[in-house]
Parts: sequence; C-alpha cells; structure tokens
Amino acid sequence: EAGVAQSPRYKIIEKRQSVAFWCNPISGHATLYWYQQILGQGPKLLIQFQNNGVVDDSQLPKDRFSAERLKGVDSTLKIQPAKLEDSAVYLCASSSGLAGSTDTQYFGPGTRLTVL
Amino acid sequence: AQSVTQPDIHITVSEGASLELRCNYSYGATPYLFWYVQSPGQGLQLLLKYFSGDTLVQGIKGFEAEFKRSQSSFNLRKPSVHWSDAAEYFCAVGEGYGGATNKLIFGTGTLLAVQP
Repeated sequence: EAGVAQSPRYKIIEKRQSVAFWCNPISGHATLYWYQQILGQGPKLLIQFQNNGVVDDSQLPKDRFSAERLKGVDSTLKIQPAKLEDSAVYLCASSSGLAGSTDTQYFGPGTRLTVL
Repeated sequence: AQSVTQPDIHITVSEGASLELRCNYSYGATPYLFWYVQSPGQGLQLLLKYFSGDTLVQGIKGFEAEFKRSQSSFNLRKPSVHWSDAAEYFCAVGEGYGGATNKLIFGTGTLLAVQP
C-alpha cells in the first residue's frame, strides 16, 4: 500500500513570496491533516479535512495560509505572502475514518520550507 | 488547555541498554495517548497508542508504554536498544477523539542517540 505522498520535499523562497505544497493521501482515506513542525517543536495541526470539507482550521493563520481539498482526495496548502517564521516542515497525514474516529493517522515525509 | 510535556530533549544510551522516555500530559478527560517516532527525512510513524483497557501497551519494534493516570504519565520503554532506534520520539495526546475531531497535540520530542 502506497503511503502519503508530498511534494516538493524541499523549498527555499524569499520572504513575501508565495509557495504551495501538495499532498496525496493514502487511497480511500477520508480525513486529511496538515501539520506545521517548527524546528525544536512538535507538529502543530493547521487544518483537518473530512472528504472535501473543513473540520478544524482554528490554528490556520488565515490571513496568509489557505488550503483546499478538491474532490476529497489531493490537497494543497498555500502560503501567501511568506514570512520568516513560516520556515518549518509541513507534514501531511491521512486517516481512513471520519473526523472523530480513532483511526491511526499516517504521515507523509514532509516538505521542508526555508524562508530567507 | 491540553498539553504534553517531554522533559528530556536529548538522551544518549548505549546499544543493548534499556530505555525509558518520559511523557506527561495535561488533559481533562480520559486521554487518548500516542507515541510516534521520526527518523531523519521520514514522516512520523506510530509506535503504539492507548485508548482504554490494559494500561501496559505493546507496540512495534519492541516498544511498550505504560499509562499511569495518577501520575498523568505515558512513558515509553524498550528493554534493549538497537542502533537503528536512533531517532526523535514524540508523545501526543488526541483531542476530540471519538467526538467531533481528532487533533493530535504533540510534545516537543526527545532525540535519542545510541552509542555503539
């Protein structure tokens, strides 16, 4: 079974530029998550989707971050404009059940973003 | 607010020695608890989880963890460490599991080094 795929793996941009990350969850998984992992910290949930609807985006900085999951499969996370403090690893995860289930979350390898 | 504390930022053990990684949580209800491992360049992999029942939980790769409600702890143990266990370990509590959401709240991680 293929795991969670993310691209690109690395990205370097200047501050105030925009950037987008892509995630392809495990086939058939209903729930998709985006986490931000700043160096020296644990991952922090940014947004959770169930199919193509948003379940929780309370910690997403909506003035600069946006995410979508069209058709309930792939997802993109965008930052516009980027700030220095956005430098982090962005992790995508998916789980088979609906929001609120106890299913395991499977993580992708992440995208490491460096903002200069 | 829910939180997870991992008091040890960095631990070094000799190969073959026993290991215990500490985790304390703050959560109002019965917690859902997890241990994940992250190797360099890899996504997080679930080692084990506790939802209810037996407080001693067995996981993959020879790891186990014990839930102690009186101490608000969920420490991870392994009787004999292998060089391949060198990685970063994250404890997490699940917020909203079985309810509306299933957000993972992570600790800051413990980096394990294994000496030959």
